[in-house]
Amino acid sequence: DTAVSQTPKYLVTQMGNDKSIKCEQNLGHDTMYWYKQDSKKFLKIMFSYNNKELIINETVPNRFSPKSPDKAHLNLHINSLELGDSAVYFCASSASKTYEQYFGPGTRLTVT
Amino acid sequence: AQKITQTQPGMFVQEKEAVTLDCTYDTSDPSYGLFWYKQPSSGEMIFLIYQGSYDQQNATEGRYSLNFQKARKSANLVISASQLGDSAMYFCAMREGHYGNNRLAFGKGNQVVVIP
Repeated sequence: DTAVSQTPKYLVTQMGNDKSIKCEQNLGHDTMYWYKQDSKKFLKIMFSYNNKELIINETVPNRFSPKSPDKAHLNLHINSLELGDSAVYFCASSASKTYEQYFGPGTRLTVT
Repeated sequence: AQKITQTQPGMFVQEKEAVTLDCTYDTSDPSYGLFWYKQPSSGEMIFLIYQGSYDQQNATEGRYSLNFQKARKSANLVISASQLGDSAMYFCAMREGHYGNNRLAFGKGNQVVVIP
């Protein structure tokens, strides 16, 4: 009965590779988000989608591309990975008439 | 400019005592909301409590209560009767935007360690 799930939980890869992180929510929410938590634990929004439409696109390198095939899924693809991309990436979701955001377990990305 | 400020250093709290975590915020939008999230060492982000700017009463959820002082722009979290499982990082966050187009701006967090 997982609410917001992410795969993989851990991802170790080399510089220059391309990788994807998947997110799925079974809460019936129509807004989904990607946040990045850096090594100092600071969380910052990257993207949000509402009903599969991109709503928020923060100042993020265009190597990061979100894709929402449907309301329940929001994937994050990262091209040409760099050392500075190492972080924990959180997916979250919220319902249309509420503000509470529910987070997935996070994906710890390590670029070597 | 930082919109959420959490400046307390790491805190040690005796089990069963109450602890207050400070959070101040900055916004010119009359409609906003404040959240508190808990992040234990396992890493997940757990939603604790929400306070809307127009809510008349301070929010409460079990042992968590939010001391909302609008004029002072503060939204402190009070955890009553601390338990060992309360040891975690606690993040204050502010909602910017409205339904379907809102983001959370987070503070830097407060580390809490509950000691028996």
